[in-house]
Amino acid sequence: DAKTTQPNSMESNEEEPVHLPCNHSTISGTDYIHWYRQLPSQGPEYVIHGLTSNVNNRMASLAIAEDRKSSTLILHRATLRDAAVYYCILRDYYGGSQGNLIFGKGTKLSVKP
Amino acid sequence: DAGITQSPRYKITETGRQVTLMCHQTWSHSYMFWYRQDLGHGLRLIYYSAAADITDKGEVPDGYVVSRSKTENFPLTLESATRSQTSVYFCASSERQYNEKLFFGSGTQLSVL
Repeated sequence: DAKTTQPNSMESNEEEPVHLPCNHSTISGTDYIHWYRQLPSQGPEYVIHGLTSNVNNRMASLAIAEDRKSSTLILHRATLRDAAVYYCILRDYYGGSQGNLIFGKGTKLSVKP
Repeated sequence: DAGITQSPRYKITETGRQVTLMCHQTWSHSYMFWYRQDLGHGLRLIYYSAAADITDKGEVPDGYVVSRSKTENFPLTLESATRSQTSVYFCASSERQYNEKLFFGSGTQLSVL
């Protein structure tokens, strides 16, 4: 399985942008990049995903490097509610066992008021 | 409110007992998944199901049994619980397997004494 590398933890101030990095140097051409987050005592929650182009939704933006070996999740204005563990996951387009989400340890984001 | 629900929320059992964790989703999603989450290991896939009567093993299937007689239900059974199965269990569903976001339940916290 393709692997991702994320910092263990990051800190941010409330109402400031946050850039969460993810390295995936062994990504294959059919791997989508997915981001999930997990708030304390809750199940993971989908944030965003993309293949090659940058993606935006109401929660966040995903910036994907041209060589696709790294990506960055951008929270434009962090709130206290954004404090969570953020997971960067590669997911094979063709499904099968490689299409399952394989979670790493993620980045624990702390947001200071 | 429609969604994915897990029961019970908390469960304490003894070694050797059979335990069944329930998962119900109201979207008629084809795919359903069971994960366990332990400190130091993140989320690990136990079993998944592509449709009613179709199930397959994930990363850590030993000691678990699943069934899917109806699309909306995906129970997970520990046939003879062991202390190593103390964990938080999450159920998830998605419409398709790949390039599709997963919706997670709130989890079941299981303690095996």
